[in-house]
Amino acid sequence: EAGVAQSPRYKIIEKRQSVAFWCNPISGHATLYWYQQILGQGPKLLIQFQNNGVVDDSQLPKDRFSAERLKGVDSTLKIQPAKLEDSAVYLCASSERLYEQYFGPGTRLTVT
Amino acid sequence: EDKVVQSPLSLVVHEGDTVTLNCSYEVTNFRSLLWYKQEKKAPTFLFMLTSSGIEKKSGRLSSILDKKELFSILNITATQTGDSAVYLCAVSYRGGTSYGKLTFGQGTILTVHP
Repeated sequence: EAGVAQSPRYKIIEKRQSVAFWCNPISGHATLYWYQQILGQGPKLLIQFQNNGVVDDSQLPKDRFSAERLKGVDSTLKIQPAKLEDSAVYLCASSERLYEQYFGPGTRLTVT
Repeated sequence: EDKVVQSPLSLVVHEGDTVTLNCSYEVTNFRSLLWYKQEKKAPTFLFMLTSSGIEKKSGRLSSILDKKELFSILNITATQTGDSAVYLCAVSYRGGTSYGKLTFGQGTILTVHP
């Protein structure tokens, strides 16, 4: 079974630029999550999708972050404009059953 | 505010040692506690604990949950250099708008020297 795919794996941008990350979940997984993991901390949930719909985006900084899940499969997470404190690893996860999440390799973002 | 706190933050041991990692939590609508291992990439699932006092084992790893005292421990016996990683504890929620959400602790960095 193929795992969760993410791209790009690494991205370096300057502050105030825009960036987008892509995630392809495991086939058949209805639930998709985006996490932000700052160095030395555990992952923090940004947004959770159930099929096309948003279940929880309470910790998403909506003034600069946006996310969508096209046709209930792939998802993109965008940051516009980026700030220095957005430097982190962005993890995508998917699950079939709600409590067993499978994580992708992550995108390491550096904002200079 | 929901909290998941892990201790110690880092641990350095030698191969063959036994280690115990701790996770305490204060959350509303608790459903289960999960342990993940994170090497230089994505977290990989180790255990999910829902009931108090029932030990889960996988090889040299074992874990138990105490729902009265609100903590869990992860034990690793006869450690190997391949056990070096960040160990993450997370809690999941019973229902409401947090259904399916995971709240993670900050992780314990384990380093095993040969």
